[in-house]
Amino acid sequence: DTEVTQTPKHLVMGMTNKKSLKCEQHMGHRAMYWYKQKAKKPPELMFVYSYEKLSINESVPSRFSPECPNSSLLNLHLHALQPEDSALYLCASSQASGLGKLFFGSGTQLSVL
Amino acid sequence: DQQVKQNSPSLSVQEGRISILNCDYTNSMFDYFLWYKKYPAEGPTFLISISSIKDKNEDGRFTVFLNKSAKHLSLHIVPSQPGDSAVYFCAASEGDNQGGKLIFGQGTELSVKP
Repeated sequence: DTEVTQTPKHLVMGMTNKKSLKCEQHMGHRAMYWYKQKAKKPPELMFVYSYEKLSINESVPSRFSPECPNSSLLNLHLHALQPEDSALYLCASSQASGLGKLFFGSGTQLSVL
Repeated sequence: DQQVKQNSPSLSVQEGRISILNCDYTNSMFDYFLWYKKYPAEGPTFLISISSIKDKNEDGRFTVFLNKSAKHLSLHIVPSQPGDSAVYFCAASEGDNQGGKLIFGQGTELSVKP
């Protein structure tokens, strides 16, 4: 199984809503990542978890809250988002942080109204 | 400051010919380089990578060349096929020094015409 599965595929939420994005991998990878991608732009790193501990937070606003319940799961909790947060949110995993080759999920296309 | 640059936003190539996608970087600490392919509304798919100790890596129709002195890498696709039409991202990392942080270029949209 070489898949990273993300749910939901699409999400529309209001600025007062609370929602969560979910990511799952069963490749035994010990590093998991959240990236954000706006249209016509490259993916931008948000968070890195290494062995279930947050190792990198790229100065992401606190309205985005990551969680890694176990080595296979990664969540991104969303609260009080702004319309400019609308983007494709990509989850990725790798064998360990620092080994470069990331496997990406298909992403969650988020629209904030 | 953009550390990884793909200066051509788009490239159009005839089927069967060679596609050459270019990427420049500024950070001399980068030691691992990757190319990803991306279709709309999907996540990037890993294509090929190269370590800084090599200057060439080949995988089927795809070859990546690295010129460390020029801080330049390129992806050659030969022969190009219509199914290769996608956005190609160059990415670089400093390995474990930065915890696996991948820096992506802006992407080049490749169109292969039948």
